[in-house]
Amino acid sequence: GQQVMQIPQYQHVQEGEDFTTYCNSSTTLSNIQWYKQRPGGHPVFLIQLVKSGEVKKQKRLTFQFGEAKKNSSLHITATQTTDVGTYFCAGPPRTSYGKLTFGQGTILTVHP
Amino acid sequence: NAGVTQTPKFQVLKTGQSMTLQCAQDMNHEYMSWYRQDPGMGLRLIHYSVGAGITDQGEVPNGYNVSRSTTEDFPLRLLSAAPSQTSVYFCASSYSRQGSNSPLHFGNGTRLTVT
Repeated sequence: GQQVMQIPQYQHVQEGEDFTTYCNSSTTLSNIQWYKQRPGGHPVFLIQLVKSGEVKKQKRLTFQFGEAKKNSSLHITATQTTDVGTYFCAGPPRTSYGKLTFGQGTILTVHP
Repeated sequence: NAGVTQTPKFQVLKTGQSMTLQCAQDMNHEYMSWYRQDPGMGLRLIHYSVGAGITDQGEVPNGYNVSRSTTEDFPLRLLSAAPSQTSVYFCASSYSRQGSNSPLHFGNGTRLTVT
C-alpha cells in the first residue's frame, strides 16, 4: 500500500532559526496537504498543494510540491515559540481518493 | 457552528468490554473518517464514509465497526476492546465526497485506555 514518510521525526531549534520538514510518498499523489497539531490538540489544516512544482507561502511558511508529485516540503523561516507542534503531511494516491494517508509527523520544539 | 464534536473526551475500558465513540458534524459534510494516533506512527485511517449508507475500510480496520445512517453522525464501535487499541482517536470530516481532495476538519479527539 501507499506509504508516506516524513523526516526528521524530531527537530529542536533555537528561536529565530529556520526549520524544514520533508515528505516523501511511495506513489504519485493527486495533492498534498499539510496539518499542524499543537501539543494536546487536534490536527489543523494549513494548506493544500495540487500542481506539480507548486510553491505556496503563508507568512513565514513556504510549502513546495515536487515535480513528480511524490514529495513535498515545509520550510519555516525564523521560527517562533508559537510554531511549536507536530507538522504532518498527508496525501491520497491518485487511484484512491477516499484514503488520505498521513506521514508520521515532525515534532518541532523551539527554544526561546 | 460546532464543527466536529467527539464524545467522550476520555475513556478507560477493561479488556473485552465494548463501547461506541461518538462523532457528529454540523457542516453538512459528505465525507467522514476515523483515525487513530499513536506515538511515532502519525495518524492511521481506520474507516471512512463518503456519504450516508456508505462506509469503507482504511489502513487499520480490524477490531472496529462503523455505520453511517445519517450525514451528521459517524460512530465508531469497539466490539471487544484490547490493550492494543489504547490510543487517541480522531474523527474528521470534509465537504468533498472524495474526502482526500479537500481539507479535513478534526474533532478534539477521544483518549482511550484499555487495561
